[in-house]
Amino acid sequence: KAGVTQTPRYLIKTRGQQVTLSCSPISGHRSVSWYQQTPGQGLQFLFEYFSETQRNKGNFPGRFSGRQFSNSRSEMNVSTLELGDSALYLCASSLFGYSTDTQYFGPGTRLTVL
Amino acid sequence: AQKVTQAQTEISVVEKEDVTLDCVYETRDTTYYLFWYKQPPSGELVFLIRRNSFDEQNEISGRYSWNFQKSTSSFNFTITASQVVDSAVYFCALSEDTTGNQFYFGTGTSLTVIP
Repeated sequence: KAGVTQTPRYLIKTRGQQVTLSCSPISGHRSVSWYQQTPGQGLQFLFEYFSETQRNKGNFPGRFSGRQFSNSRSEMNVSTLELGDSALYLCASSLFGYSTDTQYFGPGTRLTVL
Repeated sequence: AQKVTQAQTEISVVEKEDVTLDCVYETRDTTYYLFWYKQPPSGELVFLIRRNSFDEQNEISGRYSWNFQKSTSSFNFTITASQVVDSAVYFCALSEDTTGNQFYFGTGTSLTVIP
Protein backbone atom coordinates (compact mmCIF):
# COMPACT_ATOMS: atom_id res chain seq x y z
CA LYS A 1 0.00 0.00 0.00
CA ALA A 2 1.25 3.44 -0.85
CA GLY A 3 1.89 5.68 2.13
CA VAL A 4 0.72 9.20 2.80
CA THR A 5 1.91 11.59 0.14
CA GLN A 6 2.29 15.33 0.41
CA THR A 7 2.91 17.91 -2.27
CA PRO A 8 4.88 19.97 -2.74
CA ARG A 9 7.80 18.90 -0.57
CA TYR A 10 9.33 22.35 -0.43
CA LEU A 11 7.88 25.83 -0.81
CA ILE A 12 9.30 29.31 -0.56
CA LYS A 13 6.89 32.20 -0.21
CA THR A 14 7.04 35.81 0.87
CA ARG A 15 5.13 37.51 3.65
CA GLY A 16 1.56 38.33 2.78
CA GLN A 17 1.17 35.61 0.19
CA GLN A 18 -1.03 32.59 0.59
CA VAL A 19 -0.17 28.92 0.14
CA THR A 20 -2.01 25.65 -0.41
CA LEU A 21 -0.57 22.30 0.63
CA SER A 22 -1.93 18.95 -0.47
CA CYS A 23 -2.15 15.56 1.23
CA SER A 24 -3.25 12.20 -0.14
CA PRO A 25 -3.98 9.67 2.58
CA ILE A 26 -3.35 5.96 2.57
CA SER A 27 -5.96 4.21 0.46
CA GLY A 28 -9.00 3.43 2.60
CA HIS A 29 -8.17 5.95 5.28
CA ARG A 30 -10.89 8.51 5.80
CA SER A 31 -9.41 10.76 8.44
CA VAL A 32 -6.72 13.32 7.70
CA SER A 33 -4.97 15.43 10.32
CA TRP A 34 -2.53 18.27 9.90
CA TYR A 35 0.33 19.24 12.20
CA GLN A 36 2.79 22.09 12.24
CA GLN A 37 6.34 21.36 13.37
CA THR A 38 8.70 24.16 14.38
CA PRO A 39 11.89 24.12 16.45
CA GLY A 40 10.34 26.39 19.06
CA GLN A 41 6.85 24.92 19.42
CA GLY A 42 7.43 21.34 18.39
CA LEU A 43 4.58 19.39 16.83
CA GLN A 44 1.23 21.09 17.13
CA PHE A 45 -2.16 19.88 15.96
CA LEU A 46 -3.84 22.08 13.37
CA PHE A 47 -7.07 20.28 12.46
CA GLU A 48 -8.62 17.00 11.48
CA TYR A 49 -11.05 16.14 8.69
CA PHE A 50 -13.32 13.17 8.27
CA SER A 51 -15.90 12.71 5.52
CA GLU A 52 -15.25 16.22 4.23
CA THR A 53 -16.03 17.76 7.62
CA GLN A 54 -13.68 19.40 10.06
CA ARG A 55 -14.14 17.51 13.31
CA ASN A 56 -11.39 18.87 15.47
CA LYS A 57 -9.34 22.04 15.49
CA GLY A 58 -6.21 23.12 17.29
CA ASN A 59 -5.35 26.54 18.59
CA PHE A 60 -4.35 28.32 15.39
CA PRO A 61 -5.62 31.58 13.89
CA GLY A 62 -8.25 31.65 11.17
CA ARG A 63 -5.54 32.21 8.55
CA PHE A 64 -5.08 28.44 8.70
CA SER A 65 -7.85 26.54 7.02
CA GLY A 66 -8.38 23.27 5.30
CA ARG A 67 -10.77 21.08 3.44
CA GLN A 68 -11.25 17.48 2.48
CA PHE A 69 -12.56 16.08 -0.75
CA SER A 70 -14.83 13.11 -1.33
CA ASN A 71 -11.83 10.89 -2.11
CA SER A 72 -10.38 11.81 1.33
CA ARG A 73 -7.60 13.92 -0.13
CA SER A 74 -7.07 17.06 1.89
CA GLU A 75 -5.67 20.50 1.39
CA MET A 76 -4.65 23.10 3.88
CA ASN A 77 -4.38 26.78 3.14
CA VAL A 78 -2.51 29.51 4.92
CA SER A 79 -3.39 33.06 3.99
CA THR A 80 -1.47 36.26 4.64
CA LEU A 81 1.72 34.41 5.44
CA GLU A 82 3.90 35.54 8.33
CA LEU A 83 7.54 34.77 9.00
CA GLY A 84 6.47 32.60 11.91
CA ASP A 85 4.57 30.29 9.58
CA SER A 86 7.86 28.86 8.38
CA ALA A 87 7.64 25.23 9.44
CA LEU A 88 7.38 21.63 8.42
CA TYR A 89 3.71 20.82 7.81
CA LEU A 90 2.90 17.17 8.35
CA CYS A 91 -0.19 15.37 7.26
CA ALA A 92 -1.33 12.14 8.90
CA SER A 93 -4.03 9.71 7.92
CA SER A 94 -5.93 7.08 9.86
CA LEU A 95 -8.86 4.79 9.19
CA PHE A 96 -11.62 6.61 11.02
CA GLY A 97 -9.87 9.16 13.20
CA TYR A 98 -10.74 7.43 16.44
CA SER A 99 -8.44 7.93 19.39
CA THR A 100 -7.57 4.25 19.04
CA ASP A 101 -6.38 4.68 15.49
CA THR A 102 -2.75 4.88 14.62
CA GLN A 103 -1.89 7.92 12.54
CA TYR A 104 0.49 7.43 9.65
CA PHE A 105 2.45 10.46 8.59
CA GLY A 106 3.60 11.78 5.25
CA PRO A 107 7.05 13.22 4.53
CA GLY A 108 5.87 16.77 5.12
CA THR A 109 5.97 20.04 3.23
CA ARG A 110 8.70 22.40 4.31
CA LEU A 111 7.44 25.96 4.00
CA THR A 112 9.83 28.88 4.17
CA VAL A 113 8.41 32.38 4.42
CA LEU A 114 10.77 35.21 3.50
CA ALA B 1 0.69 22.26 31.08
CA GLN B 2 2.47 19.84 28.81
CA LYS B 3 0.57 16.61 28.42
CA VAL B 4 3.67 14.75 27.27
CA THR B 5 7.13 15.45 28.61
CA GLN B 6 10.34 14.17 27.15
CA ALA B 7 12.94 15.61 29.45
CA GLN B 8 15.91 14.39 27.45
CA THR B 9 16.52 16.83 24.62
CA GLU B 10 19.60 15.17 23.20
CA ILE B 11 21.35 11.88 23.90
CA SER B 12 24.58 10.55 22.43
CA VAL B 13 25.66 6.95 22.79
CA VAL B 14 28.38 4.84 21.29
CA GLU B 15 27.26 2.09 18.96
CA LYS B 16 26.20 -1.13 20.71
CA GLU B 17 25.32 0.66 23.92
CA ASP B 18 21.78 0.44 25.28
CA VAL B 19 19.80 3.65 25.59
CA THR B 20 16.48 4.51 27.24
CA LEU B 21 14.31 7.40 26.13
CA ASP B 22 11.95 8.71 28.78
CA CYS B 23 8.36 9.78 28.33
CA VAL B 24 6.04 11.05 31.04
CA TYR B 25 2.42 11.87 30.26
CA GLU B 26 -0.46 13.57 31.97
CA THR B 27 -4.14 12.90 31.41
CA ARG B 28 -7.38 12.73 33.35
CA ASP B 29 -8.92 10.24 30.96
CA THR B 30 -9.10 6.63 32.03
CA THR B 31 -8.89 5.53 28.41
CA TYR B 32 -5.98 6.84 26.43
CA TYR B 33 -3.35 5.71 23.98
CA LEU B 34 0.37 6.19 23.86
CA PHE B 35 2.58 6.14 20.81
CA TRP B 36 6.22 6.35 19.86
CA TYR B 37 7.37 7.72 16.53
CA LYS B 38 10.80 8.00 14.95
CA GLN B 39 11.70 10.99 12.79
CA PRO B 40 14.83 10.46 10.70
CA PRO B 41 16.49 13.42 8.95
CA SER B 42 14.15 12.94 5.98
CA GLY B 43 11.36 14.33 8.16
CA GLU B 44 8.71 11.64 7.95
CA LEU B 45 7.37 10.38 11.26
CA VAL B 46 7.61 6.62 11.37
CA PHE B 47 5.20 4.77 13.65
CA LEU B 48 6.88 2.44 16.15
CA ILE B 49 4.30 1.35 18.70
CA ARG B 50 0.85 1.99 20.14
CA ARG B 51 -0.20 1.08 23.66
CA ASN B 52 -3.63 1.52 25.26
CA SER B 53 -4.12 2.47 28.87
CA PHE B 54 -5.52 -0.90 29.84
CA ASP B 55 -2.55 -2.87 28.64
CA GLU B 56 0.46 -2.47 30.88
CA GLN B 57 2.29 -5.42 29.48
CA ASN B 58 5.75 -4.50 28.31
CA GLU B 59 6.54 -5.12 24.69
CA ILE B 60 9.65 -6.15 22.86
CA SER B 61 10.22 -5.93 19.15
CA GLY B 62 13.69 -6.91 18.11
CA ARG B 63 16.12 -4.45 19.67
CA TYR B 64 13.27 -2.18 20.79
CA SER B 65 11.37 -2.52 24.04
CA TRP B 66 8.80 -0.39 25.81
CA ASN B 67 8.03 -0.10 29.49
CA PHE B 68 4.58 1.26 30.35
CA GLN B 69 3.93 2.10 34.00
CA LYS B 70 0.62 3.73 34.86
CA SER B 71 1.69 4.26 38.46
CA THR B 72 4.35 6.72 37.33
CA SER B 73 2.59 7.82 34.10
CA SER B 74 5.59 6.79 32.09
CA PHE B 75 6.07 5.04 28.77
CA ASN B 76 9.78 4.61 28.27
CA PHE B 77 11.52 3.28 25.19
CA THR B 78 14.73 1.27 25.24
CA ILE B 79 16.97 0.50 22.30
CA THR B 80 19.31 -2.39 22.94
CA ALA B 81 22.67 -2.61 21.18
CA SER B 82 22.14 0.71 19.41
CA GLN B 83 23.16 1.14 15.78
CA VAL B 84 24.02 4.20 13.71
CA VAL B 85 20.71 3.79 11.84
CA ASP B 86 18.91 4.47 15.12
CA SER B 87 20.08 8.07 15.00
CA ALA B 88 16.91 10.16 14.75
CA VAL B 89 14.50 12.24 16.78
CA TYR B 90 12.04 10.16 18.77
CA PHE B 91 8.63 11.44 19.76
CA CYS B 92 6.23 10.16 22.36
CA ALA B 93 2.56 11.03 21.80
CA LEU B 94 -0.73 10.76 23.64
CA SER B 95 -4.30 10.59 22.39
CA GLU B 96 -7.31 10.68 24.66
CA ASP B 97 -10.84 9.42 24.24
CA THR B 98 -12.26 12.80 25.16
CA THR B 99 -10.28 14.74 22.58
CA GLY B 100 -10.59 12.33 19.69
CA ASN B 101 -7.59 11.59 17.62
CA GLN B 102 -5.74 14.80 18.36
CA PHE B 103 -2.21 13.77 19.22
CA TYR B 104 -0.28 15.55 21.93
CA PHE B 105 3.40 15.21 21.20
CA GLY B 106 6.38 15.55 23.45
CA THR B 107 9.20 17.81 22.35
CA GLY B 108 11.24 14.88 21.13
CA THR B 109 14.58 13.35 22.04
CA SER B 110 17.37 13.60 19.50
CA LEU B 111 19.43 10.42 19.59
CA THR B 112 22.87 10.27 18.05
CA VAL B 113 24.61 6.92 17.83
CA ILE B 114 28.34 7.33 17.36
CA PRO B 115 30.09 4.60 15.39
